[in-house]
Amino acid sequence: GEDVEQSLFLSVREGDSSVINCTYTDSSSTYLYWYKQEPGAGLQLLTYIFSNMDMKQDQRLTVLLNKKDKHLSLRIADTQTGDSAIYFCAESPSGYALNFGKGTSLLVTP
Amino acid sequence: AAGVIQSPRHLIKEKRETATLKCYPIPRHDTVYWYQQGPGQDPQFLISFYEKMQSDKGSIPDRFSAQQFSDYHSELNMSSLELGDSALYFCASSRTATGANVLTFGAGSRLTVL
Repeated sequence: GEDVEQSLFLSVREGDSSVINCTYTDSSSTYLYWYKQEPGAGLQLLTYIFSNMDMKQDQRLTVLLNKKDKHLSLRIADTQTGDSAIYFCAESPSGYALNFGKGTSLLVTP
Repeated sequence: AAGVIQSPRHLIKEKRETATLKCYPIPRHDTVYWYQQGPGQDPQFLISFYEKMQSDKGSIPDRFSAQQFSDYHSELNMSSLELGDSALYFCASSRTATGANVLTFGAGSRLTVL
């Protein structure tokens, strides 16, 4: 979506941490989301964060939200080759349909 | 657990032909969404239905139409197909509730227009 920006590519080594960044523009989004898409597959919800929170941790995933700067990040600890995929952040300006960023392609090398 | 079912998974059409995609949402989900994802692009929202009524409209071309039926399945009809309509079409469903609106996506229907 034109209002949600992400860096296009990220390459990390297996075992390192990955940090994927996202900037959104709609401050009315109550929730912000991270989806994962593997080649030729659908979008899989990874996690989401309520806009009044600044951090959410879920196993290897940590989401940080800076509402003032409208900046969202997804940290994947101990990145594995199976984490290689495209990661989309999404806002929900109308509260229903999601508006996606262009996606960050994560490549994990052995 | 039941997921969102889309059919067909792959479809090849000629320019100016018509195509119909079907979506079966998760049982008891009340909202269905259609998204279009071009090669290397992000998913673009087309249209959504809440309880069988159109609830929101995105960048859906006039050549496309959609509806949701009494059994909650939805169909996306695309007419006068153009080469640029070649894309992955995703259907998603959600259940309205307080809290996050979690969309569950189907595996997609890949349309190729020749």
